[in-house]
Amino acid sequence: SQTIHQWPATLVQPVGSPLSLECTVEGTSNPNLYWYRQAAGRGLQLLFYSVGIGQISSEVPQNLSASRPQDRQFILSSKKLLLSDSGFYLCAWSRIAGRTDTQYFGPGTRLTVL
Amino acid sequence: QKEVEQNSGPLSVPEGAIASLNCTYSDRGSQSFFWYRQYSGKSPELIMFIYSNGDKEDGRFTAQLNKASQYVSLLIRDSQPSDSATYLCAVLSGGSYIPTFGRGTSLIVHP
Repeated sequence: SQTIHQWPATLVQPVGSPLSLECTVEGTSNPNLYWYRQAAGRGLQLLFYSVGIGQISSEVPQNLSASRPQDRQFILSSKKLLLSDSGFYLCAWSRIAGRTDTQYFGPGTRLTVL
Repeated sequence: QKEVEQNSGPLSVPEGAIASLNCTYSDRGSQSFFWYRQYSGKSPELIMFIYSNGDKEDGRFTAQLNKASQYVSLLIRDSQPSDSATYLCAVLSGGSYIPTFGRGTSLIVHP
């Protein structure tokens, strides 16, 4: 079976500090990978997605970046955090199941920027 | 721009009742439809998906799709307090792997 891991689970960082969130998927190969952010009381915002190693597409211009150094590893980074970066960060992977591409979410990282 | 609309709620139903959650979408090219459940402070978990018109049943959950009217719904039979959560609707267009999510409907099942 497939599992997806994210760490850390929670993080409190000062404004201007760097960020690195990691996501790994087990039990599948060549998954599509996604980073979402969910701000308090708001919907899911797609930040980045990747269809393969080194292939990153950005949905929203901001001070965040993503990398995929290995097939099942997806990293979200920032050089300098802003207050507005606070939120619940979700990694997801997808695969073809039947006729459709189904997304499965990791447990998430709750980031608070102070 | 593709849009997915859900009533934010909260929808409050008594225990044992049927909860009906609705979702409308704007893209007529949409082909796959998903329902996720998200407990407070947790990540979304997939309940079920549907891509053919009509009903699809899985335990106490039934997804209903009407492509002509561009809506999809989720029925929860015999609602339990443990069903209290936010339910997210997601829609995927043909040829795409980026779903559009609604903002979710908050469901409260009271004893």
